[in-house]
Amino acid sequence: GAVVSQHPSRVICKSGTSVKIECRSLDFQATTMFWYRQFPKQSLMLMATSNEGSKATYEQGVEKDKFLINHASLTLSTLTVTSAHPEDSSFYICSASYQGLNTEAFFGQGTRLTVV
Amino acid sequence: KQEVTQIPAALSVPEGENLVLNCSFTDSAIYNLQWFRQDPGKGLTSLLLIQSSQREQTSGRLNASLDKSSGRSTLYIAASQPGDSATYLCAVNGDKLIFGTGTRLQVFP
Repeated sequence: GAVVSQHPSRVICKSGTSVKIECRSLDFQATTMFWYRQFPKQSLMLMATSNEGSKATYEQGVEKDKFLINHASLTLSTLTVTSAHPEDSSFYICSASYQGLNTEAFFGQGTRLTVV
Repeated sequence: KQEVTQIPAALSVPEGENLVLNCSFTDSAIYNLQWFRQDPGKGLTSLLLIQSSQREQTSGRLNASLDKSSGRSTLYIAASQPGDSATYLCAVNGDKLIFGTGTRLQVFP
C-alpha cells in the first residue's frame, strides 16, 4: 500500500509555544489529506480536511486560528498548533488519499504531543 | 451528520474463538468502509477496505461484510490469537472519513 509519513512522532513543548506537524505522502500525490485528534481510550475525531491549493475545511468546534493547516503541495500537509496549552496534549494523526474521497485512506504513524 | 457506532465496546476472549465485531452507520451514502487495527500508543493499520458496491472482503483470518442499505458492517476474526489483541476501528468514507467508537479486543492464552 501507499506510504504516509508523519513527523515528528513525539514532541514535548512548553505552554505558549507553537508546534508544527508534517504529513507527507511518500510515493503518491495526495489531493486530500485529513487531520485527526485522538484522546486516550477514545476514537479518532476528524479535525479538518485539507485540499491541496485551497483552504482547509474545519469541523465544527475546531478553532481554525489555533490549528493552522497548510497543504501547499500534493505530497505535504502541515498542522501547526499555535500557542499550545496542556489541554492540546493529544495524539494527532493524518491520512491521505491519492484519488479523492472514494479511495482507500492511508495513515501516518501519528504524533504524540505533550504540552507542559 | 454521519454517526458510526461499534459494538461491543470491549471484548475479552480465550484464544481460538471466532469473533464478530459490529459497526453501524447512520448515513448510507458512502463510497467505502475501512476496518483498522490500532495497537496502544500506535498509529493505524489498515485491515480491509470494502467498496460500497461490494458485499464482503477477506484477508487471511479476517472477513468483513457490508450491508450499505441497513448501515451495517461486520468484521469476523477466525481462530483468534493473542496477537490479535488491539483496538479495532471501522471508518466510513462519504464526503469525509468518519471513525467509529472502536472495539477493544483482548485475546488471552
